[in-house]
Amino acid sequence: DTGVSQDPRHKITKRGQNVTFRCDPISEHNRLYWYRQTLGQGPEFLTYFQNEAQLEKSRLLSDRFSAERPKGSFSTLEIQRTEQGDSAMYLCASSPPRDYGYTFGSGTRLTVV
Amino acid sequence: QKEVEQDPGPLSVPEGAIVSLNCTYSNSAFQYFMWYRQYSRKGPELLMYTYSSGNKEDGRFTAQVDKSSKYISLFIRDSQPSDSATYLCAMSAQSSASKIIFGSGTRLSIRP
Repeated sequence: DTGVSQDPRHKITKRGQNVTFRCDPISEHNRLYWYRQTLGQGPEFLTYFQNEAQLEKSRLLSDRFSAERPKGSFSTLEIQRTEQGDSAMYLCASSPPRDYGYTFGSGTRLTVV
Repeated sequence: QKEVEQDPGPLSVPEGAIVSLNCTYSNSAFQYFMWYRQYSRKGPELLMYTYSSGNKEDGRFTAQVDKSSKYISLFIRDSQPSDSATYLCAMSAQSSASKIIFGSGTRLSIRP
């Protein structure tokens, strides 16, 4: 499978716990994006990387969220001290250095109880 | 006010009908316009991509952009039950490979 891979597909965690998600982009894509989607809403931008550099981070992203992309390959998104409002689908996408739009993964569904 | 407005539907039409989906936007800097399709519990997939104003056709799908009215449309001809999904409009000021702003999506159901 040469698409965008996200792991895990589902995560249930207790409020206050830390969680980490992983995204493996399409290998030739140098840009990687994280979005969050809640029920009935479109994806909401969180952050994006070009190679290993984090170029933009949403102002909506609190200090509890951090993302990394070491060596410009896979990326991780960590949420510290999870809250119920963090429950959502976390989508990763990647794109090549051309104007062809994103390829999304199937997402990680987070439920905070 | 959101930068991108999209009627959430749901929209239900009979098989074979022409479907019209629309979005309006407020940011005149948007130049790149996209439509994504999202099936339940899946990530969005890119359907159409256009730059600036004009029309673009791909099989049964036609995308239209009217920058003067800040209005974009997606038409689906000869709709099929497999077209049942949520359709998301999306746009960017820089390029389709940079930050993209999405609409909230329109749920479409095609009745056999």
